[in-house]
Amino acid sequence: DVKVTQSSRYLVKRTGEKVFLECVQDMDHENMFWYRQDPGLGLRLIYFSYDVKMKEKGDIPEGYSVSREKKERFSLILESASTNQTSMYLCASTPRRAGDTGELFFGEGSRLTVL
Amino acid sequence: RKEVEQDPGPFNVPEGATVAFNCTYSNSASQSFFWYRQDCRKEPKLLMSVYSSGNEDGRFTAQLNRASQYISLLIRDSKLSDSATYLCVVNHAGAAGNKLTFGGGTRVLVKP
Repeated sequence: DVKVTQSSRYLVKRTGEKVFLECVQDMDHENMFWYRQDPGLGLRLIYFSYDVKMKEKGDIPEGYSVSREKKERFSLILESASTNQTSMYLCASTPRRAGDTGELFFGEGSRLTVL
Repeated sequence: RKEVEQDPGPFNVPEGATVAFNCTYSNSASQSFFWYRQDCRKEPKLLMSVYSSGNEDGRFTAQLNRASQYISLLIRDSKLSDSATYLCVVNHAGAAGNKLTFGGGTRVLVKP
């Protein structure tokens, strides 16, 4: 089974703190994604990566950055957390361009609260 | 207008009944379509793809109407375990390749 592991299920941070969300997948997938999910808004794509050291902006990249130094690891960074970044963050991976099959393998999510 | 829109519900469904709900999309160039299921406090998982001719997977039937730009999901003989949020996902080619866009989800509650 594909396993996508997110480092923290629940985090509480203060405004202005730097936040790292880590994601690791164990199936040698090329493609990795970071989404945030908010009530009524669905999942919105923040950043994605098709290869090591490669990154592409999604729909809402402002306030975020990412790092993909190794194939299995995709990190989301909030340089200076703000209260409007309180959300559920979901990491996903797929072995091919996501649109081919539509199947994204998601981690369990990281619920971030920024006070 | 959102790219992918769903009625958030909840749809309260008696056990054993049939429920159906739609998802509309705005980009007529969208190429492929999917339904995901998300249980409370869990991650989304692919339920089924939606094919142009319509397709069934057990008690679940998905339909695509390109002319009116919507897809639908029908659940027959609803089970308590069908209670979940159903996410519509639409794929279309963008500048950086294929892009999956999620709807906000339709919540279904099946009650005894």
